[in-house]
Amino acid sequence: ILNVEQSPQSLHVQEGDSTNFTCSFPSSNFYALHWYRWETAKSPEALFVMTLNGDEKKKGRISATLNTKEGYSYLYIKGSQPEDSATYLCAFYNNNDMRFGAGTRLTVKP
Amino acid sequence: DAGVTQSPTHLIKTRGQQVTLRCSPISGHKSVSWYQQVLGQGPQFIFQYYEKEERGRGNFPDRFSARQFPNYSSELNVNALLLGDSALYLCASSIGTGYAFFGQGTRLTVV
Repeated sequence: ILNVEQSPQSLHVQEGDSTNFTCSFPSSNFYALHWYRWETAKSPEALFVMTLNGDEKKKGRISATLNTKEGYSYLYIKGSQPEDSATYLCAFYNNNDMRFGAGTRLTVKP
Repeated sequence: DAGVTQSPTHLIKTRGQQVTLRCSPISGHKSVSWYQQVLGQGPQFIFQYYEKEERGRGNFPDRFSARQFPNYSSELNVNALLLGDSALYLCASSIGTGYAFFGQGTRLTVV
């Protein structure tokens, strides 16, 4: 059974702080790593699909890096804003199925 | 193309009853996953099915079960409902290495 682990489980930061969290996944049979943002009362929204070792993706103040050899991805948020408050999910795809982590719940205080 | 559809959207059940939630994936998607989100908490992985086989199971009691049909739709069953089972149940479908697409969820209230 594949395990996708995210840390920390929850995070509280002040508005303007930069933050990052980790997604760990099995390094074998890697196909893709996804990041999603899940705001309360909404469906999860796709952020990034990452497929190559060393990939770095950016979307506004949010960026992500990927290390497939060691099996981890980092999500960075620069200058956090209250609207960034959400649960951030990563998902690992290995050509057979997709497994989600439990998420990191980010709260940004004004 | 229709997105991921879940039914019903809202449901109220009594403790001890059984409930079945349904999910229709996007056409062509063979993988379906179920998640539980309790108010104030992040989503919790329940099950994943691919090509009608269970590929993963989260830390949920045996009261929770699921299955996937030949048309790739899926059902989540919960027996002997407890008050703590009240939550939003989300279904997601995916294909290849593309994004997973989520339904709007079923809001289950156990009274």
